[in-house]
Amino acid sequence: QKEVEQNSGPLSVPEGAIASLNCTYSDRGSQSFFWYRQYSGKSPELIMFIYSNGDKEDGRFTAQLNKASQYVSLLIRDSQPSDSATYLCAVLHGSSNTGKLIFGQGTTLQVKP
Amino acid sequence: EPEVTQTPSHQVTQMGQEVILRCVPISNHLYFYWYRQILGQKVEFLVSFYNNEISEKSEIFDDQFSVERPDGSNFTLKIRSTKLEDSAMYFCASSVNPALGAFFGQGTRLTVV
Repeated sequence: QKEVEQNSGPLSVPEGAIASLNCTYSDRGSQSFFWYRQYSGKSPELIMFIYSNGDKEDGRFTAQLNKASQYVSLLIRDSQPSDSATYLCAVLHGSSNTGKLIFGQGTTLQVKP
Repeated sequence: EPEVTQTPSHQVTQMGQEVILRCVPISNHLYFYWYRQILGQKVEFLVSFYNNEISEKSEIFDDQFSVERPDGSNFTLKIRSTKLEDSAMYFCASSVNPALGAFFGQGTRLTVV
């Protein structure tokens, strides 16, 4: 079973719409969850982290966590063409206090003008 | 804004040669990491480093790899005898607290020919 799973996409949304990106994880002991944005040929850029069940909002971004369902999502409101990138879900390895992150494959988002 | 810096941005080396990838983590960060990303694949954890020693390493991080913090600012990854399959983007990352996420450098693209 894959540790962190994401739909690779591409997910295509029109400009101004809400983009919804999803991620599931297998390790129930995981405590912290992260969303990174990666433009083609560039490095991952930390967008948000969440560790409590529920929603966490930061500007146009909302992260949602449901530990019972082992599910993390990222909502991007008012999507812009500049949001077009691959979004990586990462999980802080449950049994690790070393900071090891387990990444999903990433979901490619295309925002069409 | 403080950032993780990596040099060189691109390194081409012949199979069997040794390479050293260099990183300057963010100055007040205490946790340091190396990840790699083979083209088209997910970001993979290699090693974490804390308090001047390796705190965790992956199965990928075998005897051909080593890390060092030679002074108060640099963090290096050495690959002793490069193989074709070592060709990848190598990312250095650092964090002040693993639960708050890691910040990635711009990466070094290693090409082994």
